[in-house]
Amino acid sequence: SAVISQKPSRDICQRGTSLTIQCQVDSQVTMMFWYRQQPGQSLTLIATANQGSEATYESGFVIDKFPISRPNLTFSTLTVSNMSPEDSSIYLCSVDRTGDEQFFGPGTRLTVL
Amino acid sequence: DAKTTQPNSMESNEEEPVHLPCNHSTISGTDYIHWYRQLPSQGPEYVIHGLTSNVNNRMASLAIAEDRKSSTLILHRATLRDAAVYYCIRRIYGGSQGNLIFGKGTKLSVKP
Repeated sequence: SAVISQKPSRDICQRGTSLTIQCQVDSQVTMMFWYRQQPGQSLTLIATANQGSEATYESGFVIDKFPISRPNLTFSTLTVSNMSPEDSSIYLCSVDRTGDEQFFGPGTRLTVL
Repeated sequence: DAKTTQPNSMESNEEEPVHLPCNHSTISGTDYIHWYRQLPSQGPEYVIHGLTSNVNNRMASLAIAEDRKSSTLILHRATLRDAAVYYCIRRIYGGSQGNLIFGKGTKLSVKP
């Protein structure tokens, strides 16, 4: 298994500002993922972050809006830039250690006013 | 297209078996079927996965149709803690390196 923590657990932000979400894993992993879950909706993959390479973004998500860092094998950050109320969501990171199952963090609940 | 089709919601009584269906009619030969569930206010957690054969683990069983166009997640004795949204996912390996593409899922309610 993998233990994943995220910071902050929740935040309320003003539109036009940016928030950086941290994801810490208790062991080294190659692949990390960032998801968004809008209110009442399912999860949508934002990007895949592998250490030592640029993040790969899914259709509809761009680096300028959601820059990602992956400085080592246990840590990643996702920044939500120039926020608007439409960015209000739960943001989750996950890791894939075995190739069979992903482990998810508890999520960061973001509200943009 | 990585979509799967599941009922929006299902109800079960506590301590009874639950069969959660999933259709994946466009599945390719190398795609695995994964099931995750999301309890309220938590991140998703892995339940089970399989390719062709039926699979069992401590949480559930997965029955995959012979033509692989559908599958059923079986909870043998539902408990109140099993109330969650259950996601059936085609896991596509290869260029996307095994990304999980979530559908809408089935919201399972368990009545005492």
